Amino acid sequence: ILNVEQSPQSLHVQEGDSTNFTCSFPSSNFYALHWYRWETAKSPEALFVMTLNGDEKKKGRISATLNTKEGYSYLYIKGSQPEDSATYLCAFSSAGGTSYGKLTFGQGTILTVHP
Amino acid sequence: DADVTQTPRNRITKTGKRIMLECSQTKGHDRMYWYRQDPGLGLRLIYYSFDVKDINKGEISDGYSVSRQAQAKFSLSLESAIPNQTALYFCATSDPGQGVTGELFFGEGSRLTVL
Repeated sequence: ILNVEQSPQSLHVQEGDSTNFTCSFPSSNFYALHWYRWETAKSPEALFVMTLNGDEKKKGRISATLNTKEGYSYLYIKGSQPEDSATYLCAFSSAGGTSYGKLTFGQGTILTVHP
Repeated sequence: DADVTQTPRNRITKTGKRIMLECSQTKGHDRMYWYRQDPGLGLRLIYYSFDVKDINKGEISDGYSVSRQAQAKFSLSLESAIPNQTALYFCATSDPGQGVTGELFFGEGSRLTVL
């Protein structure tokens, strides 16, 4: 079973604060790392899919970095807004074996942005 | 209308009953998945299907079965529901043209309560 860990489990910030959270995953047989944003009562939606060591992706105020050699990814939110409040999920896929083609999700980081 | 539709959205049932959760998609994707989400845990894969003739067990398939009736339809059954199957269930699709683990597109979830 692949272990994907996210930290912190939850985070409360004030509007305008910048924040970041971490996803740790196995560093061997890496294929891809996904980030999803899941708002209450909605479906999870993909933010980023990253496949190369050193990848940096950006969408508006949200960005992510990837280090496959040490097995971690950071998600950054600059100038948090209340509408950024959501659960942020990362998911890892392995290149081979029985994990081929499947994503293993972390438990998520719950972000609450207070006005 | 949602591209990935799940029915029912909410269901309360009793221990021992047979339950079917249905998923249909209009995205034209070959790959479909069923995940389960429990508080404090990540999304866990129950079953997945890479095409109509291909069905695979995920990490927590015991107590569940699936049917891929067509490219667009993938149903999850609980043959004899038990209380620890109370959870939020998500159907998802992905496009193999996006790579082995392309971005997942999720339905809106089916909340199942087993009394």
